[in-house]
Amino acid sequence: GAGVSQSPRYKVAKRGQDVALRCDPISGHVSLFWYQQALGQGPEFLTYFQNEAQLDKSGLPSDRFFAERPEGSVSTLKIQRTQQEDSAVYLCASSLASGGGGQPQHFGDGTRLSIL
Amino acid sequence: AQSVTQPDIHITVSEGASLELRCNYSYGATPYLFWYVQSPGQGLQLLLKYFSGDTLVQGIKGFEAEFKRSQSSFNLRKPSVHWSDAAEYFCAVGNNAGNMLTFGGGTRLMVKP
Repeated sequence: GAGVSQSPRYKVAKRGQDVALRCDPISGHVSLFWYQQALGQGPEFLTYFQNEAQLDKSGLPSDRFFAERPEGSVSTLKIQRTQQEDSAVYLCASSLASGGGGQPQHFGDGTRLSIL
Repeated sequence: AQSVTQPDIHITVSEGASLELRCNYSYGATPYLFWYVQSPGQGLQLLLKYFSGDTLVQGIKGFEAEFKRSQSSFNLRKPSVHWSDAAEYFCAVGNNAGNMLTFGGGTRLMVKP
């Protein structure tokens, strides 16, 4: 597709349930990023992939959060035993090249996760 | 550690008036700086970026930004605001490794008719 695609757009889950959020990056983009955006705040970095390798997961808030990109394309962010504080918009971004701070990141429309 | 501060949470301007959104950053080396815009329910769209060279950069939709190293600032400007510019604006700094962006808290722009 032309841009970064995320699904679902909206997800409602009960506390304690597991959820999986999908990101389909721009074709050919090497780098993939996940961010968490709480209501009224700027996005915060969660994790980064270069192809299939997860090179940085320093932003994941707890061991309940897990991300993968097994074939270096589509990525899934999984949250186990969800808590109310996990409610946020989860943004995925991709960029063309690996390394180099100057590569702009292209964002999807996000998944709005609400935990009841 | 890198950080970004956007001092203004909300700004209201009249349509046709000029606009300046403030951004201050903290980064130990030459920064990679970005401005993104986010409309409700949408992802972030890149307006412009600064890597090096000319400190005044032009972006899409008539926006420009000026990098001032001495002030650690990267303010966004537009000479004449349109009603469609109402949105949330985020300033961000990228690290040299290119593996993360650090965002400010955002400025919500409202445009009066």
